[in-house]
Amino acid sequence: DAKTTQPTSMDCAEGRAANLPCNHSTISGNEYVYWYRQIHSQGPQYIIHGLKNNETNEMASLIITEDRKSSTLILPHATLRDTAVYYCIVRARGTSGSRLTFGEGTQLTVNP
Amino acid sequence: DAGITQSPRYKITETGRQVTLMCHQTWSHSYMFWYRQDLGHGLRLIYYSAAADITDKGEVPDGYVVSRSKTENFPLTLESATRSQTSVYFCASSGGREETQYFGPGTRLLVL
Repeated sequence: DAKTTQPTSMDCAEGRAANLPCNHSTISGNEYVYWYRQIHSQGPQYIIHGLKNNETNEMASLIITEDRKSSTLILPHATLRDTAVYYCIVRARGTSGSRLTFGEGTQLTVNP
Repeated sequence: DAGITQSPRYKITETGRQVTLMCHQTWSHSYMFWYRQDLGHGLRLIYYSAAADITDKGEVPDGYVVSRSKTENFPLTLESATRSQTSVYFCASSGGREETQYFGPGTRLLVL
């Protein structure tokens, strides 16, 4: 799986959009970009994933650059409950049996 | 729809005792995983299973035993607990076309 680079920490004001970047310059054509988060003391929570098109669900939007070397997770209206560590993971399709490699992630703090 | 559940959520035991952590999923996912997360560290894969009666070792299998007689259950047994096995244990499952891993809430284990 390709390596990812994320900022260590970010702050966001409540109600504003949180934009979390991720670099994955060595991503290959069959690798997806997944985003998870882990709120303190809870299990990792799946947020969204994509291959090359932008994706949106009820939790967030995922913007992937045309060259696929970076992506941005967008939480459109951050709340205090969105404070968590956010992980960007690159993973090949067809690897269901492989572990997820969680890097250091980005600690997002949403401030009132 | 319960999804994926773990029991117990908290467990205190003594060195040398056998402990079994339970994991149950209601999605009929083929793959199931056990991870451990130590304070300030990422998740490490202990064991995984591709289907009933098929299991394989992960990164840190020593001291653990798994079984999978039914698709929905994947218990993890510490045969003789040691203090170094004090950790938070997460179960996950994945399956279907999307191959996304979904995590349980975790079991906090303290070995005295």
